[in-house]
Amino acid sequence: QSALTQPASVSGSPGQSITISCTGTSSDVGSYNLVSWYQQHPGKAPKLMIYEVSKRPSGVSNRFSGSKSGNTASLTISGLQAEDEADYYCCSYAGSSTFDVVFGGGTKLTVL
Amino acid sequence: QVQLVQSGAEVKKPGSSVKVSCKASGGTFSSYAISWVRQAPGQGLEWMGGIIPIFGTANYAQKFQGRVTITTDESTSTAYMELSSLRSEDTAVYYCARDVESDILTGCLGYWGQGTLVTVSS
Repeated sequence: QSALTQPASVSGSPGQSITISCTGTSSDVGSYNLVSWYQQHPGKAPKLMIYEVSKRPSGVSNRFSGSKSGNTASLTISGLQAEDEADYYCCSYAGSSTFDVVFGGGTKLTVL
Repeated sequence: QVQLVQSGAEVKKPGSSVKVSCKASGGTFSSYAISWVRQAPGQGLEWMGGIIPIFGTANYAQKFQGRVTITTDESTSTAYMELSSLRSEDTAVYYCARDVESDILTGCLGYWGQGTLVTVSS
């Protein structure tokens, strides 16, 4: 199973909004509403920010939102803050036959 | 609150095996899938496999089929990941993580262990 495709880096100024894309195939992102997004700061474990395409876990700011269209999922962060600077990974369930789960390559978000 | 606490760092020789543990507390262990995810230095996240303890059958990423074994001990709420035939490319931080939904492996991982660094070096 190939990794999902994310841009290597995105940047934005404080207060702005940014969107990170995550492109898969009809076998993963396109077939299941089981896309999740993780934030990872250096040296830390990943943190779940969005699950099942657009659901936010308790405690996650509503500045984070998720969506999906076809084989591409997106994470939008509005009102950028300095502490949002981190690596972001998307993830998708990829099939009941293989029970595969596949991650994207990660996107480095820089807050200018 | 759910917590996952992993065993400590390991240094292994090429060709050997490593077994990492992940002890859960604060929730219902048996019904939630535990996945193992690794991250090589400076690289991204890679899903290795997962298991729902109450069902007992693990599922593995094709890349690791035949080399990884994931098990659980419900009596101690602990999951294990054993990786064999280690090579230098297996040097990574290994994480266990719990699914957000019960009775199904979704890959949406709401709780993570602190990570275990496994170094493979001769």
